[in-house]
Amino acid sequence: EVQMVESGGDLVQPGGSLRLSCAASGFIFSGYPMHWVRLAPGKGLEYVSAISSDGDSTYYADSVKGRFTISRDNSKNTLYLEMGSLRAEDTAVYYCARAADFGSGKFYLDSWGQGSLVTVSS
Amino acid sequence: EIVLTQSPATLSLSPGERATLSCRASQSVGSYLAWYQQQPDQAPRLLIYDASHRATGIPARFGGSGSGTDFTLTISSLEPEDFAVYYCQQRSDWPITFGHGTRLEIK
Repeated sequence: EVQMVESGGDLVQPGGSLRLSCAASGFIFSGYPMHWVRLAPGKGLEYVSAISSDGDSTYYADSVKGRFTISRDNSKNTLYLEMGSLRAEDTAVYYCARAADFGSGKFYLDSWGQGSLVTVSS
Repeated sequence: EIVLTQSPATLSLSPGERATLSCRASQSVGSYLAWYQQQPDQAPRLLIYDASHRATGIPARFGGSGSGTDFTLTISSLEPEDFAVYYCQQRSDWPITFGHGTRLEIK
């Protein structure tokens, strides 16, 4: 069974840092790009970041570029999101998701973790 | 950035009725559009990819159509578990973008 479990969410002060982890199991982790998506209170889903299957390519939303860093350790089947210079507007549930290609060459998010809550407040 | 506009923001229907949700893109995304369902306090679930293909395990009452800039998600006969928030997402170009969602509520 495909499973992803996020951890590391916490209450942090503005300007602070946090690292989220996403432990994956039930599939060949090194064969899939991975993404982070967040859901802020009262808002809709927002794409945060993505990383290629080998970790060589990364992508960021403008809202987090320069502050967040995505990485992965394929030997540990784990995805990470290093979050720095945190702001109140970063408060959200953060989901990791697997990206799969169903044949069109485009990747869609076919499996998701249950999310990790990050609260940025003084 | 490709902007996705979903309508209506809220849709109130009864179980057994047909639901039609719309997603319009600010520029063509071809067929590279997906629909996700999110229940309260749950992770999103992929329903439709490439505009019209059902993901694994998705019931046949869910259908997707459209191409270019106009897309539709149809639920042929609403079941109680279908009342949720639905998002469209484009994969045509970076950055990936989502619509703001349509809340499907029980009338």
